[in-house]
Amino acid sequence: DTAVSQTPKYLVTQMGNDKSIKCEQNLGHDTMYWYKQDSKKFLKIMFSYNNKELIINETVPNRFSPKSPDKAHLNLHINSLELGDSAVYFCASSQGEDASYEQYFGPGTRLTVT
Amino acid sequence: GQNIDQPTEMTATEGAIVQINCTYQTSGFNGLFWYQQHAGEAPTFLSYNVLDGLEEKGRFSSFLSRSKGYSYLLLKELQMKDSASYLCAFDSGGYNKLIFGAGTRLAVHP
Repeated sequence: DTAVSQTPKYLVTQMGNDKSIKCEQNLGHDTMYWYKQDSKKFLKIMFSYNNKELIINETVPNRFSPKSPDKAHLNLHINSLELGDSAVYFCASSQGEDASYEQYFGPGTRLTVT
Repeated sequence: GQNIDQPTEMTATEGAIVQINCTYQTSGFNGLFWYQQHAGEAPTFLSYNVLDGLEEKGRFSSFLSRSKGYSYLLLKELQMKDSASYLCAFDSGGYNKLIFGAGTRLAVHP
């Protein structure tokens, strides 16, 4: 049973294009996250939603727009892609927004911008 | 500001014990996490410490000293499959917002 799934797994696109990454969790969790892991392997929080409400919005270019249609889904849309957007994007979920809840990560989406 | 440091790389021998250290600085703190990440895979949860002391879970143990801003992950009876990156992270004080270190890449040799 897949707990947190992301599509696509790989995404290769050209600068200036717009793309979306989808995330779904079947754990019944209330909180979902988007992280970016760059080539130096730093994992950085981008956004977090709790019950479809945005609760964490880090300093991310406004070309990145998350959308949560329901609490099981959190999608990430990126406009006007740039070379520096190349990274692995991980979706994650947790039971709630309390610090004691572990986060479950999806398999990641490797985005390459050429 | 917020800062978190851990060694970049470590090597160890199969069957041995290794300790991976992590130091952090933050004004808000709600707990310290350790995650394991194999190459090309997603991070997976290992441990969570919010109070000072040692938490043991099988071959893995994690220690926290809040006053010193210090944690370590102890791996015993190392196996080849333990070769991975180990990510230290703290919750900066709200909404399960984790600040991750760059990770320590551990290589276990026969």
